[in-house]
Amino acid sequence: GAVVSQHPSWVICKSGTSVKIECRSLDFQATTMFWYRQFPKQSLMLMATSNEGSKATYEQGVEKDKFLINHASLTLSTLTVTSAHPEDSSFYICSASGLINEQFFGPGTRLTVL
Amino acid sequence: RKEVEQDPGPFNVPEGATVAFNCTYSNSASQSFFWYRQDCRKEPKLLMSVYSSGNEDGRFTAQLNRASQYISLLIRDSKLSDSATYLCVVDNSGGGADGLTFGKGTHLIIQP
Repeated sequence: GAVVSQHPSWVICKSGTSVKIECRSLDFQATTMFWYRQFPKQSLMLMATSNEGSKATYEQGVEKDKFLINHASLTLSTLTVTSAHPEDSSFYICSASGLINEQFFGPGTRLTVL
Repeated sequence: RKEVEQDPGPFNVPEGATVAFNCTYSNSASQSFFWYRQDCRKEPKLLMSVYSSGNEDGRFTAQLNRASQYISLLIRDSKLSDSATYLCVVDNSGGGADGLTFGKGTHLIIQP
């Protein structure tokens, strides 16, 4: 199956700093990438959808100025959590979708903000 | 965003038993349905799609009831390795162009 990677897999940062998470489709071109967030014992919640070369579409309640998404190429999307706070601590997962429309998930990034 | 509801469990089941989960969805226009499996602290992995006529993959059987808006997953001859959280997932876009809606998951524990 298609492979999606995320980097870093785990990050701890101080409150107020910004964190960038990368999502890469390794063996296919991802026309659409999705960013999800999962809090402990909660379901995955879609944060935003991004199409290559265009602005991301954010779900209601997700601050676009806080969660900056860039999808500059067909194999890379980045999520930047700006001025992170402890309540942003979560498991962030990306998925990528290409021609066949199935979503392939990355391994996730665990963010802890102190 | 429309809801997807699951019984969170946990379901404690002896090895070798048969177990079934249900999931209900609120959007009658939903197009595609899936069961994902998620292990602790890992990303979800697609277990199987759910087709209108019902479908089977080895020990796993999925069924869809559009009239009652529920999806089921049946696991036969359960193995210890089946212990995981099973996520009911709905795609409302019909073409994968939209994000998926996940249920909170049903936690399954297979006991030796």
